[in-house]
Amino acid sequence: DAGVIQSPRHEVTEMGQEVTLRCKPISGHNSLFWYRQTMMRGLELLIYFNNNVPIDDSGMPEDRFSAKMPNASFSTLKIQPSEPRDSAVYFCASSLSGTANTEAFFGQGTRLTVV
Amino acid sequence: GESVGLHLPTLSVQEGDNSIINCAYSNSASDYFIWYKQESGKGPQFIIDIRSNMDKRQGQRVTVLLNKTVKHLSLQIAATQPGDSAVYFCAEKNTDKLIFGTGTRLQVFP
Repeated sequence: DAGVIQSPRHEVTEMGQEVTLRCKPISGHNSLFWYRQTMMRGLELLIYFNNNVPIDDSGMPEDRFSAKMPNASFSTLKIQPSEPRDSAVYFCASSLSGTANTEAFFGQGTRLTVV
Repeated sequence: GESVGLHLPTLSVQEGDNSIINCAYSNSASDYFIWYKQESGKGPQFIIDIRSNMDKRQGQRVTVLLNKTVKHLSLQIAATQPGDSAVYFCAEKNTDKLIFGTGTRLQVFP
């Protein structure tokens, strides 16, 4: 298995532009997590899905952020409009949850810079 | 104003010594705990996990101890090597939600 795949690896965009981050979880995993990592706040959980359904989005900073999981093999995190304070590394992770609880496997992350 | 980043606790150890990294978790209902290692420019990588019905688990060179009474986890690394230098995070899982601690930086010097 190739692991969790995120794209792009790096994104530089201007303030006000829309940004879409993509994630392909590990096949067979039923939970997907989006995290943001910054020097100020560390690793923050933004949202997680279970069986493609958003379960907890309490970590999403504001309405400019939205996430979707249209099927078991794909998820997006969208920021519209982007602001400089959104600059961070965004990680996607997937795991098998429920009675067969497993650790979450992380992608390599997307480094977002908003100028 | 000046922005201030998280002050990561740092543990400095000599190569060959044992390392102990500690973590306090927040939710007494959490039933699954994981230690991750993050190297510069990479995503967190799984090291070892433990379920709440256990108090100790050993892996290769690593041991995790869980004290549910005081909500404390520790990671012990035996014979620490330069390749162990990284930031280490504990994470707790409760009803599928995985929450990370602030992390500890481990520096290994020769």
